[in-house]
Amino acid sequence: GDSVTQKQGQVTLSEDDFLFINCTYSTTTYPTLLWYVQYLGQGPQLLLKVTTANNKGISRGFEATYDKGTTSFHLQKASVQESDSAVYFCALVDRGSALGRLHFGAGTQLIVIP
Amino acid sequence: AQTIHQWPVAEIKAVGSPLSLGCTIKGKSSPNLYWYWQATGGTLQQLFYSITVGQVESVVQLNLSASRPKDDQFILSTEKLLLSHSGFYLCAWSLGQGERLFFGHGTKLSVL
Repeated sequence: GDSVTQKQGQVTLSEDDFLFINCTYSTTTYPTLLWYVQYLGQGPQLLLKVTTANNKGISRGFEATYDKGTTSFHLQKASVQESDSAVYFCALVDRGSALGRLHFGAGTQLIVIP
Repeated sequence: AQTIHQWPVAEIKAVGSPLSLGCTIKGKSSPNLYWYWQATGGTLQQLFYSITVGQVESVVQLNLSASRPKDDQFILSTEKLLLSHSGFYLCAWSLGQGERLFFGHGTKLSVL
């Protein structure tokens, strides 16, 4: 079945560092890939979406690129700020399920030190 | 503007006791509704979804049940809590295909 793998449990950076979080996926259909962000004490919110049509999603300084060859889509940001500290989840839309169920990765906690 | 409200914010319950968590969505007509569970520091697991009033589909079996008594209300409950029920419960809504989910702030449940 559809699945995503997100191996980086925690990433600690200093302000202005470059962020890279990787995620791999497995699906038999064309993928729609998402990144959600969860700030402390809140529910997750959609950060950006990547499809096979656009290969790239950009939002709030974050960028995600989809690579069909390696079945991966990584999240990056050129210069992180303390306010970016949060948990980041990649997700895959399961086109074979009712309502396009989301398969979430394990999450990566980003800690940005000022 | 749409708002989603979950209650309570937090609960501490004893093993074997009943539980009822609620969620209300205002400002959207006939949304798709979802319950998710998140273990501490863990991923998001969909538990239930509902497309319309009175119809709820279970995604995983965790000795929990859900109901949608009104278009804007979603209830999660169990008659007997287990230690494994501890975690963060999130209600969410979407329109159409559920790519973009709008989550509530969640309820933190501690079962002792």
